[in-house]
This record gives sequence, C-alpha cells and structure tokens, in this order.
Amino acid sequence: GAGVSQSPSNKVTEKGKDVELRCDPISGHTALYWYRQSLGQGLEFLIYFQGNSAPDKSGLPSDRFSAERTGGSVSTLTIQRTQQEDSAVYLCASSLGLDADTQYFGPGTRLTVL
Amino acid sequence: AQSVTQLGSHVSVSEGALVLLRCNYSSSVPPYLFWYVQYPNQGLQLLLKYTTGATLVKGINGFEAEFKKSETSFHLTKPSAHMSDAAEYFCAVIPPGSQGNLIFGKGTKLSVKP
Repeated sequence: GAGVSQSPSNKVTEKGKDVELRCDPISGHTALYWYRQSLGQGLEFLIYFQGNSAPDKSGLPSDRFSAERTGGSVSTLTIQRTQQEDSAVYLCASSLGLDADTQYFGPGTRLTVL
Repeated sequence: AQSVTQLGSHVSVSEGALVLLRCNYSSSVPPYLFWYVQYPNQGLQLLLKYTTGATLVKGINGFEAEFKKSETSFHLTKPSAHMSDAAEYFCAVIPPGSQGNLIFGKGTKLSVKP
C-alpha cells in the first residue's frame, strides 16, 4: 500500500520568504509527527498531531514555525520569513496511534534557504 | 532530559564480519527503544523495536538488538555484514510517559568493505 508521501521533495527559497511543506500520512493513521534533520543538530522532533489536534508545540524552534492538520489526514508545516539556519531535511512520520506504535517515515523535503 | 548516545559516528567492517553498533540511553526508567536505518536520500526505516517482554529483539535484514537494563544499552548486531548494509543507523527512544515523539541519537554511518 501507499506509504507516507511528502511534497515537494526539494525546495529552494530565498531568505525571508515563506514556505509550506506538505505531508500525506498513511491512510487510517491517527498520529502524525514532524522532524527536522540537519548536519549540526541531527534529528529533532518538531511537533505531533493526534487527529487534528497538536497538544505539544514545544519542539517548534521559533514562532516562525507553525503546523496544521485537517480532516485527520494531510498536514502542512509552514515556515515564515525563512532563515538560512532553517535549511534542513524535514521528515514526516505517521503511526496508528501514539505511544510506541511504529512510526513510518516519508522521504522528506530538503529545504535550502539562500 | 532524556538523551541517546551512539558511540562512533563512523564504523567500517569487512563484508562477512560482525556488525556491532552501540547505543546507550540516559534515563533510569527504561524507555521504548528503536533502531532505524536510513539509506542515502531516503527516509527512515524501522529495523526493530523493544517495548516490553523478551530483551533480545530480532528485526529485519538479519539485525538484532538486546536490551540490557543494567547497562542502559540497546546495541545493534548482525553476525555477517553485507554490502547492502551500508547506510546510516539511528538509535531512538520514546521516554516513559511521553506521547510518542522519538528522541534520536546522532547516528552511526556504517561502511562495508568488500
């Protein structure tokens, strides 16, 4: 069956522009996670959703980052006024539920901020 | 705060040799434990996980890991390396009582020499 998909696969933007990254989870998965992978910081958790709700936003690195999920499915991660330090691979994962359910990862979106 | 330590950012083995990738976690209460593999330009794939029960866990591609509470370790092994095992390996934990967000180690890049 279809796995987690993310779009775009690559995004190059100029400093100060806004970007939107999209994640399509596996059908029926209620939990959705965003992570960031960068050379300096490794893999960092950003935010998770249970259904459409995001109870814990403490992982978002600044208030320029926001995320939403609609219809318990697709999620969008938005970065406003991008900075060069935002350059990274943004990974999305989904799982049946929370706790220790296996998280299935998408291929990621590589964001480059010039 | 919970942390994960992977000893050795790069490990090189010969084809057919034993693979041993080390992982230690920091909490006194055992977390859920995971090993993920990442091939170049791809997302993360679960190799195996430990939640409860038998401490020796078998995963895909001939890998296994043993949870040792007394050593706060979850080392990954494979008896005989194959060229296709060359990838980056990440140990991760879900802390007790959290909602499922993974905390990753820095990763170990495995090279396999012919």
